[in-house]
Amino acid sequence: DTAVSQTPKYLVTQMGNDKSIKCEQNLGHDTMYWYKQDSKKFLKIMFSYNNKELIINETVPNRFSPKSPDKAHLNLHINSLELGDSAVYFCASSQEWDRSYEQYFGPGTRLTVT
Amino acid sequence: GDSVTQMEGPVTLSEEAFLTINCTYTATGYPSLFWYVQYPGEGLQLLLKATKADDKGSNKGFEATYRKETTSFHLEKGSVQVSDSAVYFCALSDQGGANNLFFGTGTRLTVIP
Repeated sequence: DTAVSQTPKYLVTQMGNDKSIKCEQNLGHDTMYWYKQDSKKFLKIMFSYNNKELIINETVPNRFSPKSPDKAHLNLHINSLELGDSAVYFCASSQEWDRSYEQYFGPGTRLTVT
Repeated sequence: GDSVTQMEGPVTLSEEAFLTINCTYTATGYPSLFWYVQYPGEGLQLLLKATKADDKGSNKGFEATYRKETTSFHLEKGSVQVSDSAVYFCALSDQGGANNLFFGTGTRLTVIP
């Protein structure tokens, strides 16, 4: 069974559109995350979500909004897509919020904005 | 702020060669340190970790020691295999209770037969 899954795997869309990426974890973890990996492979945290508390990274534009219907799911909704949003987006989860816990990553969603 | 500086790549080695990928960090307090590996087309997987000074993380023949005095967490393997070809990321998680990972830029390793 896949521990952390994301859909879709690939997403191609035009500028100005609104799109969502879904993430599910079946590990029973309390904490979930979204990361953005740019074309140079640099990874940066976007959001952390722990037991219904959302921690927003202030550098992320407010066009990005995470939504968590329950502890096992953390979806990422993006409004008014821009060319610079093209990247690979990774969802991850960890057992708890504590710094020593391993994060488990999903396979990634490659978003291409044209 | 917290940051990780990682050896620039790419690195190309012959099979059975010795591998070192350098990683140094800047953080307040005592972060946890990690090495993650990303195989082609896949997400990241934890390779090893260390949560306090002088701890040694090890897995699959890879090792890294948490050196507080040099703020380093260098990754080593004595004999690489073709299957080790991947991108390797050094990361830290800060002390302040949060588990946000700060990643280095990644080092692409290619092992040739």
